[in-house]
Amino acid sequence: GAVVSQHPSWVICKSGTSVKIECRSLDFQATTMFWYRQFPKQSLMLMATSNEGSKATYEQGVEKDKFLINHASLTLSTLTVTSAHPEDSSFYICSAPGLAPYEQYFGPGTRLTVT
Amino acid sequence: GENVEQHPSTLSVQEGDSAVIKCTYSDSASNYFPWYKQELGKRPQLIIDIRSNVGEKKDQRIAVTLNKTAKHFSLHITETQPEDSAVYFCAGGFQKLVFGTGTRLLVSP
Repeated sequence: GAVVSQHPSWVICKSGTSVKIECRSLDFQATTMFWYRQFPKQSLMLMATSNEGSKATYEQGVEKDKFLINHASLTLSTLTVTSAHPEDSSFYICSAPGLAPYEQYFGPGTRLTVT
Repeated sequence: GENVEQHPSTLSVQEGDSAVIKCTYSDSASNYFPWYKQELGKRPQLIIDIRSNVGEKKDQRIAVTLNKTAKHFSLHITETQPEDSAVYFCAGGFQKLVFGTGTRLLVSP
């Protein structure tokens, strides 16, 4: 089956620094990937859609200069949280569409803690 | 854009009872409605989904119904077991998914 991985699984960083999260499709190609953010005891909120070879599409209210997305290859999308602050602490999950229409395969998530 | 509402937020049942979670959506263009189970700290796991051209789908103890006219869909779990305890999310969309607010299901032995 389709497998999506994320790295790292958890990261702790200091306020003001930047953190990069990788999302990889391991056994299939993904021209599109989705990035979600999930705060504790809340739902998944779509942040942006990553498009291979072109600019990402950000959801309303998401700062594109703060959350930099790069989709440089058909199997890798990265999310960089720039100048991280404690309020950016969250569970970040990526997903990629699979072969079946509309289905999405989720990565295991990355827990970011900003101190 | 799409808006998905989900209720109840918490649901406690006894083992063996049935559980029903309901969602409504706003965008008539949405045509895919998955349900996910998420355990603490883990990724969402797809448990069942339904497309807009189908009214009902069943997989063993789990079933989903869709009413396109009323724009609502429901998850039904029969013969609940303690291992069904988790947070369940509905979602809806066309090309991108909007998630409901989640239901914390607790199944007591």
